Amino acid sequence: QSVLTQPPSVSGAPGQRVTISCTGSSSNIGAGYDVHWYQQLPGTAPKLLIYTNSNRPSGVPGRFSGSKSGTSASLAITGLQAEDEADYYCQSYDSSLSVVFGGGTKLTVL
Amino acid sequence: EVQLVQSGAEVKKPGESLRISCQTSGYSFTSYWISWVRQMPGKGLEWMGRIDPSDSYTNYSPSFQGHVTISNDKSIRTAYLQWSSLKASDTAMYYCARHSGSGSNPIFDPWGQGTLVTVSS
Repeated sequence: QSVLTQPPSVSGAPGQRVTISCTGSSSNIGAGYDVHWYQQLPGTAPKLLIYTNSNRPSGVPGRFSGSKSGTSASLAITGLQAEDEADYYCQSYDSSLSVVFGGGTKLTVL
Repeated sequence: EVQLVQSGAEVKKPGESLRISCQTSGYSFTSYWISWVRQMPGKGLEWMGRIDPSDSYTNYSPSFQGHVTISNDKSIRTAYLQWSSLKASDTAMYYCARHSGSGSNPIFDPWGQGTLVTVSS
């Protein structure tokens, strides 16, 4: 069981908006630690998608956005495209366990 | 271009030892920590530990402390993950990743392509 909780799966039709939540606690996200997000396309290594809660690395489309509030964070994807079908992971730091990941969310584009 | 290139897939028997590598290029090797991350078949990402290549200081997740060893060789810009006695439960994909951002809560970017380790009798 992961320290950060994500929904196992989400889905949406092309063009729609989906959000993926990442719920932590007072020892990680709620303690003020930043949240980063990674995208893992099938059969490939994870890739940085959002860093420090809401920042996009160069090359990541503006359709991807992140936010953080209290003990939770969210990743939003607007204008869903078929190539967005992937696993998404949040990551933060926990004062007792060090670096922690969410369990991952599988995004299916219908 | 920053690159992390990992060694190839390994098939080992329980009880055998193993060292896998992560060779870096395109940046100052000693300026960025490197972490190792495990992904068991069909499962999520688990942080194992990290190394500061400048002085080889290491920090492990409690879940992996004592089970693996992380090291590096500055002369060839390479980080390592090793086991002294593999178990079937070590079967997984292992990724190395370079740190950016603060030491306590790193941003992992970029990642190596992964090394698949299979342990079976």
